[in-house]
Amino acid sequence: AAGVIQSPRHLIKEKRETATLKCYPIPRHDTVYWYQQGPGQDPQFLISFYEKMQSDKGSIPDRFSAQQFSDYHSELNMSSLELGDSALYFCASSQQTGMFSRDEQFFGPGTRLTVL
Amino acid sequence: KNQVEQSPQSLIILEGKNCTLQCNYTVSPFSNLRWYKQDTGRGPVSLTIMTFSENTKSNGRYTATLDADTKQSSLHITASQLSDSASYICVVISSGGSYIPTFGRGTSLIVHP
Repeated sequence: AAGVIQSPRHLIKEKRETATLKCYPIPRHDTVYWYQQGPGQDPQFLISFYEKMQSDKGSIPDRFSAQQFSDYHSELNMSSLELGDSALYFCASSQQTGMFSRDEQFFGPGTRLTVL
Repeated sequence: KNQVEQSPQSLIILEGKNCTLQCNYTVSPFSNLRWYKQDTGRGPVSLTIMTFSENTKSNGRYTATLDADTKQSSLHITASQLSDSASYICVVISSGGSYIPTFGRGTSLIVHP
């Protein structure tokens, strides 16, 4: 079965550079979630999109922005990168059932971002 | 403040043995509670989703319980296998029309042969 695809899997950037992470949800899934997991930390919810509209916003820095496109893939844009942005970034997708807070999320393998 | 506390922080057991992981939460209002298994460097995989009215839910060798009154949940793993070695994360979702997850720090389980 198709899973959530994230690209790239690994990314190395320098401070103050920009980075773009991509997420391709499972076919027919209409909701995408972004998480950040720092070393040894629990995942932090960043932002979510439903039907190309921002759904919920968590602890996403102002330097980050995200969007969901017409084909439901999503991109997380990160600017003015800082050392503390080094983390594993997970994307998850789900299919809204009308009780979205209970919808099962399927996680991608993550993108490991290293900021030097 | 919404919090999810998991115990133990780490656990080492022998293959074939059973174990129980605990999750206590103070999230309110409560929508549902999820247990995830996360292998190192990989995305979490959903094991169970439990709503307010569900006391027990099984998924193969995994059985989760929920006591909404005491705000406690447990994940019981039966006949452990080497592949069960992973971090088990408890996530509580708050209700109110939006998705607000509170993650626990996870329990690191190591299964030895």
